[in-house]
Amino acid sequence: AQSVTQLGSHVSVSEGALVLLRCNYSSSVPPYLFWYVQYPNQGLQLLLKYTTGATLVKGINGFEAEFKKSETSFHLTKPSAHMSDAAEYFCAVSSKVGKLIFGQGTELSVKP
Amino acid sequence: DAGVIQSPRHEVTEMGQEVTLRCKPISGHDYLFWYRQTMMRGLELLIYFNNNVPIDDSGMPEDRFSAKMPNASFSTLKIQPSEPRDSAVYFCASSFSRHGQETQYFGPGTRLLVL
Repeated sequence: AQSVTQLGSHVSVSEGALVLLRCNYSSSVPPYLFWYVQYPNQGLQLLLKYTTGATLVKGINGFEAEFKKSETSFHLTKPSAHMSDAAEYFCAVSSKVGKLIFGQGTELSVKP
Repeated sequence: DAGVIQSPRHEVTEMGQEVTLRCKPISGHDYLFWYRQTMMRGLELLIYFNNNVPIDDSGMPEDRFSAKMPNASFSTLKIQPSEPRDSAVYFCASSFSRHGQETQYFGPGTRLLVL
C-alpha cells in the first residue's frame, strides 16, 4: 500500500526566506512523486513530478524537489519565498497502477 | 485548451435533494477522475474512468453516489439523496494514458453545501 505524510499542516516564512515543505512517502514499488499547489478557490496545479532519472526535479515558479530513496522523502524547496507563493501544497504518490494518493496538505503563509 | 470544466461552481441544496455535478475533461484525455476534498479527510479519489469505462469505484462512499461517463467529453457525479455530510469540494481531473506518471489536470471544483 502507498501513503504520503506531509510534516506540518501549516508553515509560515518571511518573504525572501527559504521555503521547505516536507513529504515522506511509503511505497512497495518504485514510486512516482508529485507536488501540486492549490490557490484559494481553485483546483490543483502541478508544480513538479519525479518519475525516473535525475533525482533533483525542477518545477514551475522556482520550486524544486529532491527524491531521496534512502530517506523515502521528496521535500519541496524554494530559495526565496514570494508573497504569491502563499497557497496549499500537496504531495502525492502514484504507482504504475496510477492511483494518486495525496498527503493532507501544507498551508504555506508568507509574511511581508 | 480550456482545461477541465466543471459545473456548477457552487451548489447549495437541502438534505434529501438530488445533486448532479458535471465535468468536461480536456479533449484527447482518456482518463477521468472524481475527487472529494474536505477538511477532515483531505483529498479522496472517488472513482476513475478509462475510455469512458469505470475502472475503480472503491472510493465511492456509498450507494447514494453514482458516476457516469456517457462519452469521452462528459461525466456526471450524482448524489441522491444528499446529506449534510456530503458537503465538500468535488474535483474532476483528467489525464492522457495512465502509467502512473502522467500529470492529472484538475478542474476548478464544485463547492457543495447540503443544508
